[in-house]
Amino acid sequence: DAGITQSPRYKITETGRQVTLMCHQTWSHSYMFWYRQDLGHGLRLIYYSAAADITDKGEVPDGYVVSRSKTENFPLTLESATRSQTSVYFCASSESRWGEANTEAFFGQGTRLTVV
Amino acid sequence: QQPVQSPQAVILREGEDAVINCSSSKALYSVHWYRQKHGEAPVFLMILLKGGEQKGHEKISASFNEKKQQSSLYLTASQLSYSGTYFCGTERGAAGNKLTFGGGTRVLVKP
Repeated sequence: DAGITQSPRYKITETGRQVTLMCHQTWSHSYMFWYRQDLGHGLRLIYYSAAADITDKGEVPDGYVVSRSKTENFPLTLESATRSQTSVYFCASSESRWGEANTEAFFGQGTRLTVV
Repeated sequence: QQPVQSPQAVILREGEDAVINCSSSKALYSVHWYRQKHGEAPVFLMILLKGGEQKGHEKISASFNEKKQQSSLYLTASQLSYSGTYFCGTERGAAGNKLTFGGGTRVLVKP
């Protein structure tokens, strides 16, 4: 199916464990983003990527690692999960081009992560 | 740095109007508006580029005042389907495309 999909949709993990959230898009969009959504904070940008092998930090990157070896995939890894990383995580993509304003961003359905 | 949205929440009766504001302390290149229903992903409404243009989506319109670094979203003759949380997203420069969102405005439209 065309679109942007995240997996898993729900995840419970223990403090200190490494966990990877997956994001896959079928449009070949250049830009991809990871946001976390918490009550009172809206959507906060964790990392974003302009193309394969090009990534950059957002507002709240500490404790997270990203990679983008292929255009269609943008996994987010929590190296050692903490309770403060309990959140809903959204991946998004857009067909923006470098030097131009962002076009519409398409969001995945989100991953609800609970760290216990 | 996240843009600031106001109000944080608004309750409307069907048919009433509302305005949601989005402001930034830095110069903006563009402003996006998205709506999120409970338990769902945010959905795109519109983009405004610097130049003060206005855009519309159904009876929802927006303006962008580049000098004041502000954007406003206008909900006109609100419908029940307008309920949700509205987010503004901002870009500070064309290069880099870092899309940063505000804290959101919760809108509830009652019959």
